[in-house]
Amino acid sequence: DIQMTQSPSSLSASVGDRVTITCRASQGINIYLNWYQQRPGKAPNLLICAASILLSGVSSRFSGSGSGTDFTLTISSLQPEDIATYYCQQSYSLPLTFGQGTKVDIK
Amino acid sequence: QVQLQESGPGLVKPSQTLSLTCTVSGGSIRSAGYYWNWIRQHPGKGLEWIGYIYYSGTTYYNPSLKSRVTISVDTSKNQISLRLASVTAADTAVYYCARTLNNYADSWGQGTLVTFSS
Repeated sequence: DIQMTQSPSSLSASVGDRVTITCRASQGINIYLNWYQQRPGKAPNLLICAASILLSGVSSRFSGSGSGTDFTLTISSLQPEDIATYYCQQSYSLPLTFGQGTKVDIK
Repeated sequence: QVQLQESGPGLVKPSQTLSLTCTVSGGSIRSAGYYWNWIRQHPGKGLEWIGYIYYSGTTYYNPSLKSRVTISVDTSKNQISLRLASVTAADTAVYYCARTLNNYADSWGQGTLVTFSS
């Protein structure tokens, strides 16, 4: 199985701050990396697929980058509605695997 | 827009079989290229992929659960089902069904919490 490791596990930032979350794969996965947002008590919601493709309807504050083993999710200007846990997921091979999550809250 | 809804008992006894159903509406389960998945989330923890099924019946299970999992499809009812045998308290989780395209999950059900009681 491909192991996905996210950092940090949690972070606290101010409204308007730029926030960066990293995800590392245990082996190269090309650009087969996806990001999800999970608000408390809700199902995950797909934000970005194929490392950098923003899903329709997702705020342009979100962006993704990377390839191979190292990936980044950036929130350009943190807003209160961005409070959530963010997960990366590799779609390179089965079984599909997720990172452990990064919890984002407001300072 | 496709919607997914999980259903099933919220309480299961240890060693019994957990059975859940996911009903798909607003779209056909026969849509080409889409796979239908079960994913679970232990309380306060991350996401674990259980497996998927294609409308043709092709399945793939996570090796960590493969010996206990069966996923089936009923195209006439636009439903998929999950059976997890020999459950223990470690199987307490929120169970989601989700649709994947190219192995990313673009639609999710709201999830159903399954807990265990002796």
